[in-house]
Amino acid sequence: EPEVTQTPSHQVTQMGQEVILRCVPISNHLYFYWYRQILGQKVEFLVSFYNNEISEKSEIFDDQFSVERPDGSNFTLKIRSTKLEDSAMYFCASNRQGSNYGYTFGSGTRLTVV
Amino acid sequence: SQQGEEDPQALSIQEGENATMNCSYKTSINNLQWYRQNSGRGLVHLILIRSNEREKHSGRLRVTLDTSKKSSSLLITASRAADTASYFCARYIQGGSEKLVFGKGMKLTVNP
Repeated sequence: EPEVTQTPSHQVTQMGQEVILRCVPISNHLYFYWYRQILGQKVEFLVSFYNNEISEKSEIFDDQFSVERPDGSNFTLKIRSTKLEDSAMYFCASNRQGSNYGYTFGSGTRLTVV
Repeated sequence: SQQGEEDPQALSIQEGENATMNCSYKTSINNLQWYRQNSGRGLVHLILIRSNEREKHSGRLRVTLDTSKKSSSLLITASRAADTASYFCARYIQGGSEKLVFGKGMKLTVNP
C-alpha cells in the first residue's frame, strides 16, 4: 500500500536554528498538508498546498514557516528560526482529490527544540 | 470554534466488548472522518461518512452521523487488544475550506 514518507523521524535543534522537515507524498495525490501535534494534545492544521501553491494556512503558520514542493516529489516544511514552543510532532499528509477522500498521513517527525 | 469534542476522553474496556466513541461538532460539514493513532505514530484513516449519509460500516467499525444533532459515533465491535489507540474525529468543513479539523481525540484501552 502506498505510504507517505517523512524524514527525519526525530530532529533535535537549537532554538533559533532553521529546520527543514521532509515529506514524500503519495505520487498520484494532488493535495498536501502539514499538521502538528504537541505532545498529548490535539492535531492542529498548519497548511494545505495544491497546484504548487498554498491553498490555506492557519494562524500558527506565520512568517517563520514556509512550504515548498521543489521537485515534484518532495514536500518540505521549513521553520526559519525555531522556538521552544515549536517542539511537536509534525505530520505530513496527502490526499487524492480533496474533500471526499481520507488523508494518508506519514509517521511524523518529532521536532525537539532545546 | 469549528472544533468539536470526542466523548468520552478515555475509555477502558475488556477484549470482546464493544467500544463506542462520540464526536460533536458545531459547524456544517461536508464529511466527517475517523482516524486512529497508535502511540507515537501517525494517524490512520479509518472511515469517511458524507453529510448525506447516516450510517456506514467497515469491518468491525460502524459509524453513524446525525447532522441535525451535529454528532457522530464510532462503534468498534468485538474489540481486541490491538484496537488500543487514540481515536480522532475530523470534520471537513463545508464551504470550500481545504482542511480537516481534528478533535482532541479519545484514548481507548482494550485490556486482554
